[in-house]
Amino acid sequence: QKEVEQNSGPLSVPEGAIASLNCTYSDRGSQSFFWYRQYSGKSPELIMSIYSNGDKEDGRFTAQLNKASQYVSLLIRDSQPSDSATYLCAAYNTDKLIFGTGTRLQVFP
Amino acid sequence: DVKVTQSSRYLVKRTGEKVFLECVQDMDHENMFWYRQDPGLGLRLIYFSYDVKMKEKGDIPEGYSVSREKKERFSLILESASTNQTSMYLCASSGALEVVSYFGPGTRLTVL
Repeated sequence: QKEVEQNSGPLSVPEGAIASLNCTYSDRGSQSFFWYRQYSGKSPELIMSIYSNGDKEDGRFTAQLNKASQYVSLLIRDSQPSDSATYLCAAYNTDKLIFGTGTRLQVFP
Repeated sequence: DVKVTQSSRYLVKRTGEKVFLECVQDMDHENMFWYRQDPGLGLRLIYFSYDVKMKEKGDIPEGYSVSREKKERFSLILESASTNQTSMYLCASSGALEVVSYFGPGTRLTVL
């Protein structure tokens, strides 16, 4: 069974703090990894993609990939209340995306 | 910008009805997907298609069928709706050489 696992949360952080979201995957054949943000009642939107080991930064977001440990993370710096959402991790293998169940992030003022 | 649209945002149907959910994308994408999303279960793939008239079963195809007669349109069909098909249905598309999927706004289906 190919799986992507995330802690469901909620993860609560104060405004301005760094939020750290984590994800593990079971299939070593997974090639590419994605983070989607989903606001309540809305559809997922892509915020980050990462394909090779290491860090990838885009604005306040940093994605980290460690294929040896089968671990993906998303760091959100200077968290804002508008970042409050569910964050879905996804792994691509062969022909489709496998999604985790998501981590709910709450940023309080 | 990629645009994926779905025919309805909210739909209420009765048990046993035939239900059509339609999805249209305007980016000439080859790949299209139907997911359902339920609390605690995440996104689960129902069916996908790599080309016109092609379809592949996903992880939970039972009770569903699909149709792709045109490249831009992918329909999900519930032949005889049941209450356990009450869910949020999400359509997505991606290009042939990219793995990123872009989602439509979703259809929240309630089967009474």
